[in-house]
Amino acid sequence: AQTVTQSQPEMSVQEAETVTLSCTYDTSESDYYLFWYKQPPSRQMILVIRQEAYKQQNATENRFSVNFQKAAKSFSLKISDSQLGDAAMYFCAYSINAGNMLTFGGGTRLMVKP
Amino acid sequence: NAGVTQTPKFQVLKTGQSMTLQCAQDMNHEYMSWYRQDPGMGLRLIHYSVGAGITDQGEVPNGYNVSRSTTEDFPLRLLSAAPSQTSVYFCASSYRRGYEQYFGPGTRLTVT
Repeated sequence: AQTVTQSQPEMSVQEAETVTLSCTYDTSESDYYLFWYKQPPSRQMILVIRQEAYKQQNATENRFSVNFQKAAKSFSLKISDSQLGDAAMYFCAYSINAGNMLTFGGGTRLMVKP
Repeated sequence: NAGVTQTPKFQVLKTGQSMTLQCAQDMNHEYMSWYRQDPGMGLRLIHYSVGAGITDQGEVPNGYNVSRSTTEDFPLRLLSAAPSQTSVYFCASSYRRGYEQYFGPGTRLTVT
């Protein structure tokens, strides 16, 4: 079975500090895409960052970056200079099929302390 | 662009009732999907479509029906509502494989 595991149900970070959210996945496919989505209390799903598995270079988007370890099937998200607006649920997901369907992890709730 | 729109935002049903959750997108995306999110969990795929007239089942399809007669619309039908279908439902669309999925605002459904 294809799975995505987020081992940290909750994380806490001080404002302006850096935090890393963990994600591991299990797939036998070699061609796939990885995503981190943010879900604030409004429940809107917002794309944070995307990684193509065939690219070795780690994706970055402003304060957000990933550490993609393909052999270890690990895809962690680093948030630098954390802001109060970063407080949300974060979901790791991958897409392997032609239909671009996403398989999600269980999520990590990030709290940001002022 | 309105993006992905869903109606209604909230709905309460009695067990055994049927209803249709509406989803529309104005981005001319070929790929559309329905997910459900239960408390404290990630989203799970119900059904998906890769173009008008083409649909297929996801991880949790039982009790749901879909059709895709146009590129823009992808309604989800609950055939006979059960309390286990109490959840938040999200519709999503994307341009092609590997691209970002754009999500609608969700429908919170309660079945009593």
